Parts: sequence; structure tokens; C-alpha cells
Amino acid sequence: KAGVTQTPRYLIKTRGQQVTLSCSPISGHRSVSWYQQTPGQGLQFLFEYFSETQRNKGNFPGRFSGRQFSNSRSEMNVSTLELGDSALYLCASSLWGVNEQFFGPGTRLTVL
Amino acid sequence: AQKITQTQPGMFVQEKEAVTLDCTYDTSDQSYGLFWYKQPSSGEMIFLIYQGSYDEQNATEGRYSLNFQKARKSANLVISASQLGDSAMYFCAMREPPGGSARQLTFGSGTQLTVLP
Repeated sequence: KAGVTQTPRYLIKTRGQQVTLSCSPISGHRSVSWYQQTPGQGLQFLFEYFSETQRNKGNFPGRFSGRQFSNSRSEMNVSTLELGDSALYLCASSLWGVNEQFFGPGTRLTVL
Repeated sequence: AQKITQTQPGMFVQEKEAVTLDCTYDTSDQSYGLFWYKQPSSGEMIFLIYQGSYDEQNATEGRYSLNFQKARKSANLVISASQLGDSAMYFCAMREPPGGSARQLTFGSGTQLTVLP
């Protein structure tokens, strides 16, 4: 069974631009969560989607948004990029009601 | 308030020896779940082991075991017979409550484990 895939793996953007990251969960998994990892703040929860609905959101500004499609694939968007948005963005999928979350390899975003 | 505390920023262990990575947590919920993940330099988070707050037995998965002391609010990871491939960052995480709609994980700051040949 294929794992969680994230595209692109690496991305370089400049301040003020916007970016869209994609996550394809493990087949059959309908819950997708996003996390941001930075050296200063560590791993922080962004949001979680299930059945195309945002179920939970972390403490991030409105520039961070996401969505989930009917095939459970998810995208997150960051508008008006700031230098501090440089991070590894991790996506995790799971079966609803099951504890384990399986993470993808992440997208490393660099904002110049 | 910090919910997950990992007090060891870095640890060294000799190959084939056992090592314990510390994790303490803070919650007022009676129902919660505790996780350990491994993150190699490639960046991917690898699920290692899970312990539910109501589980009576300590969780074990191969060479990994979780030393769960509920009264002390600690959930230490024990890796037996360390291998060179175990060198990585290890994160302790908590989910409260373990079921239901909230699947948000709160992570600790991590422990960088280096296995020496």
C-alpha cells in the first residue's frame, strides 16, 4: 500500500507570493492533518480535514487555509508569504477512529 | 503551558545497548493517547508506538517499548539493542482525547539520538 505522498518536496518562493501544497493520503484514509515544523517553534498543528470538512484548526493566521477533495486529497495554501513561513510542512493521514497517524515526507518551503 | 516535555535535547548510546528517552506530559483529561515518532534526517515522521491512557499494559512494538507511569505523567520510550539506523530525532506526542473529532497531536521538542558504533 502506498504511503502518504506530498508534492512538491521542495519549494522556493519570495515574500508576498502565495503557495499551494498537496497531500495524497493512504488509500482508504479520510482524515488528513497538516503540521508546520520550524527550528524555533517545533511541530505545530495547522488543521485537520475529514470528509471535505475542516474539523479542527490550530493557532495560525488566516493566510493559512486548506481544503479537502472528495477523493480525500488535501491542499493547503499560504497567501502573502512571510520569511517566517519557511518550514517543513507535514501532512498526516489516518482512518477515522484509529489512533495512528501516518506522515508523508513533507514539503520543505523556503521563503526568500 | 507546555503539554509535552522532552528534557533531553541530545542523547548518545553505544550500538547494541538499550536507551531510554524521557517524556512527561500535562493534561487534565482522563482519556488521552501518547505517541512516539521517529524523524530521520530525511524529514518523514515514522510512527513507532502508541499508549492509551486506559491501557493497563505498557505498549511494545518490536525493539520499542513505552514505560507508561500514569501517576507521574511520564511516557518514556525504551529502545532495546540500539542499531546505527536508530540515529534520528524522536518526538513524544499527545492526543486528547484519543478518539472523537479532535485528532490534533501536540508534540514535544524532540530528542536527537545518536547511536555510536
